[in-house]
Formats: sequence, C-alpha cells, structure tokens
Amino acid sequence: SQQGEEDPQALSIQEGENATMNCSYKTSINNLQWYRQNSGRGLVHLILIRSNEREKHSGRLRVTLDTSKKSSSLLITASRAADTASYFCATDGSNSGYALNFGKGTSLLVTP
Amino acid sequence: KAGVTQTPRYLIKTRGQQVTLSCSPISGHRSVSWYQQTPGQGLQFLFEYFSETQRNKGNFPGRFSGRQFSNSRSEMNVSTLELGDSALYLCASNSAGERSGYTFGSGTRLTVV
Repeated sequence: SQQGEEDPQALSIQEGENATMNCSYKTSINNLQWYRQNSGRGLVHLILIRSNEREKHSGRLRVTLDTSKKSSSLLITASRAADTASYFCATDGSNSGYALNFGKGTSLLVTP
Repeated sequence: KAGVTQTPRYLIKTRGQQVTLSCSPISGHRSVSWYQQTPGQGLQFLFEYFSETQRNKGNFPGRFSGRQFSNSRSEMNVSTLELGDSALYLCASNSAGERSGYTFGSGTRLTVV
C-alpha cells in the first residue's frame, strides 16, 4: 500500500532554477528517505532523515521533515539537466518492519 | 565496490509459466529486499531477507516467493504467471539490519504475454 504521496506529480523547470517536491505520509515513521530513478532503472538513494531530525543537507539537496504535519520536502538547488528523473519518498516505521513504503513519485524535467 | 546485480535484465514469459529472478547484493550486505514497480500501483514491497530468514512480507499472493542463500544472494520466484505480473522487479541491499539507505539494482523487466 502507498504510504507517501508526492506533490506535484510532474514538475518542469529550467536549468539553474530550484525544484521543490513535497511528500505526505499517513502513519508514524522512523525514517524518511528520498530516492531518484532515471527512466525505469534502479533507484538511487539521495538522503535519509530520521524522525527526530527537522532538516538535512547533502550537496545541492535540502530535506525538511515535519512530523506534526506528516510531511517532508526535497529542495534541489541550481537544477541541472542531469537532475531530470523521477523522485520518490519512502518511509519506514514500526508498523512496516524493514519494508519501505513508497509514494508514486514526482517526475522532474529540467530543460537547458 | 560492485553494486547490486540483478539478472536477467529483461525477460519475456507466457501466462502460466514460472520465473526465477536473481539478485546479488553488495558484498557484506546481509539484508535483501524485493520490490515490484508498475505504472498503476507504483513501488510495492514484496519481501525482505536477512541471514537466510524472511523477516517481512508484503501483501502479495503465495505465487510470489523468495529465498536467500548463505552468501546473501537472493532469488525470487513467481509461479503461474499472470499478465498483471508484468513489471520491473527491483532488488535492494542494506548493511546488517541498520535502518539506512538502500542500494538498488537496475532491476529485471518482466513481460508476461
């Protein structure tokens, strides 16, 4: 079953602009992760934020987590054409064991 | 360090047949998980193995099964294939039970005709 829901479903921006994607989830979590997928290939882990953290940075990525609103956002700064991909949030919690619950993803298109 | 290796990359099977997919995790990773990805249902968890034991199973029929070997390599099997089983099957590995990021393989694209 889908736990996370990403918003928007699709996003189109130009190189150099920032891209923001949001994720909402339903039940309590231990961790929230963001993954990238290029053209139906495997997923690449981007960043993990624990339930007791509010913000995390990794290079051009910034993730925030608001457990009171059960939501997270992924910000990609200074986007490049190579950032074109689908982005998924995934949660794991005490009810899901070692299973990740994925949202349906945001499709990001970055044009030169 | 080699990544997660899934074989085969592509597979075409006929309804009613069975199929076995293979996954070799990153060396030293003892946890292997399987996911099914379809356009309609998205990414759905199938099962997770750690040290040859299934620790968690998703909501899939009994036609879907898996196992893990002593070298942490894993296989999943789907019997009596249905058209709806057409999907990208992804394997992911993780170091010893720690709740950290997973490394995914490139997947096996299964088409059932």
